[in-house]
Amino acid sequence: DGGITQSPKYLFRKEGQNVTLSCEQNLNHDAMYWYRQDPGQGLRLIYYSQIVNDFQKGDIAEGYSVSREKKESFPLTVTSAQKNPTAFYLCASSSGTVYGYTFGSGTRLTVV
Amino acid sequence: EDQVTQSPEALRLQEGESSSLNCSYTVSGLRGLFWYRQDPGKGPEFLFTLYSAGEEKEKERLKATLTKKESFLHITAPKPEDSATYLCAVQLFSSGSARQLTFGSGTQLTVLP
Repeated sequence: DGGITQSPKYLFRKEGQNVTLSCEQNLNHDAMYWYRQDPGQGLRLIYYSQIVNDFQKGDIAEGYSVSREKKESFPLTVTSAQKNPTAFYLCASSSGTVYGYTFGSGTRLTVV
Repeated sequence: EDQVTQSPEALRLQEGESSSLNCSYTVSGLRGLFWYRQDPGKGPEFLFTLYSAGEEKEKERLKATLTKKESFLHITAPKPEDSATYLCAVQLFSSGSARQLTFGSGTQLTVLP
């Protein structure tokens, strides 16, 4: 079945450490997105990519980085510059406007 | 500034007690409005897309409607399995081919047996 796979489901980061969240899709979608979700808040856009080797900053890109070397993959790195990284991270993809996004199951990142 | 506001933040219903969730938006150039359902610890699941005022869509006990300023998600005779957070999102023409969505903060619905 087609879908989006995020891994790991839970991730713990120490202070000053960079961590990478994986997002893989087999839907043949062109566009991919990373959102952050905090309790009581809506999803906020971190980065998005419309094609391979191209990506744009969203509303809260500071402290994050991404790459898009393959159409299927859009990993997110949370760097040590992100001062408050504890959140639920969601990856999504889209091929057009009709059905909006397809989301992955999320990665919960906690700073320890 | 583009804004999407959902109300109420939380709603508790008895099984069978119908109600509505509201999503009001202040945006320029609405391309589409989306409703998603999100269960705890999971990614949002697509429910509906609405494109123009007056449009309605239905799925089982859910019915979504759209006006020029807001959308309603009507839940008829809800069951406990309808308990979830319901998210509203807008897509603007200005987003072009990037198709970003701007989300509201959601309504957490609890249906008691």
